[in-house]
Amino acid sequence: DGGITQSPKYLFRKEGQNVTLSCEQNLNHDAMYWYRQDPGQGLRLIYYSQIVNDFQKGDIAEGYSVSREKKESFPLTVTSAQKNPTAFYLCASSKSNSGGNSYEQYFGPGTRLTVT
Amino acid sequence: GENVEQHPSTLSVQEGDSAVIKCTYSDSASNYFPWYKQELGKRPQLIIDIRSNVGEKKDQRIAVTLNKTAKHFSLHITETQPEDSAVYFCAPKTGTASKLTFGTGTRLQVTL
Repeated sequence: DGGITQSPKYLFRKEGQNVTLSCEQNLNHDAMYWYRQDPGQGLRLIYYSQIVNDFQKGDIAEGYSVSREKKESFPLTVTSAQKNPTAFYLCASSKSNSGGNSYEQYFGPGTRLTVT
Repeated sequence: GENVEQHPSTLSVQEGDSAVIKCTYSDSASNYFPWYKQELGKRPQLIIDIRSNVGEKKDQRIAVTLNKTAKHFSLHITETQPEDSAVYFCAPKTGTASKLTFGTGTRLQVTL
């Protein structure tokens, strides 16, 4: 279970405030990902980054922003523009996609964000 | 983008029976087919995966079969045990990017 951490485990915010979720990994993985999980639903990709200083939008990027200044870190900011921010947020990392390497994604423990 | 569907959404089996979960995908270029298990309150974890040049892979009580022509792959669990109770996700990969597209999940309940 070690190797990728998220903090905090629970986060409460008032509507209209931006909030940043932390994700750190010491697995030396090039790629990192942010997912959102709602009750009874699968994991929906918000943003992903395959290399430092580069990232791409996933399927539900609106209202979110990310940065990838260091290989180990991929913080996610939930902005006030996100209409339904209350959810469980999962961060993951994997080795880079280079011919035959495993694509296994390792997940952090998640952050449960509640916005009221 | 990739369209992924899982069936059934819920599955209840008696301990010792087999369970099969099917995942259909839309992109014929998909080349990697994993299954993840998420126990209640825990993070998803990879349990088995298969690549497009292989039709079947087995690891003890679990197996994955792939039908590229029909664009579906299935998770098979034999001799189910209570600890198999969890939500299972398929997550096919398409193209050169490393991202996966997760299905909506199948909740498996193994009853005594």
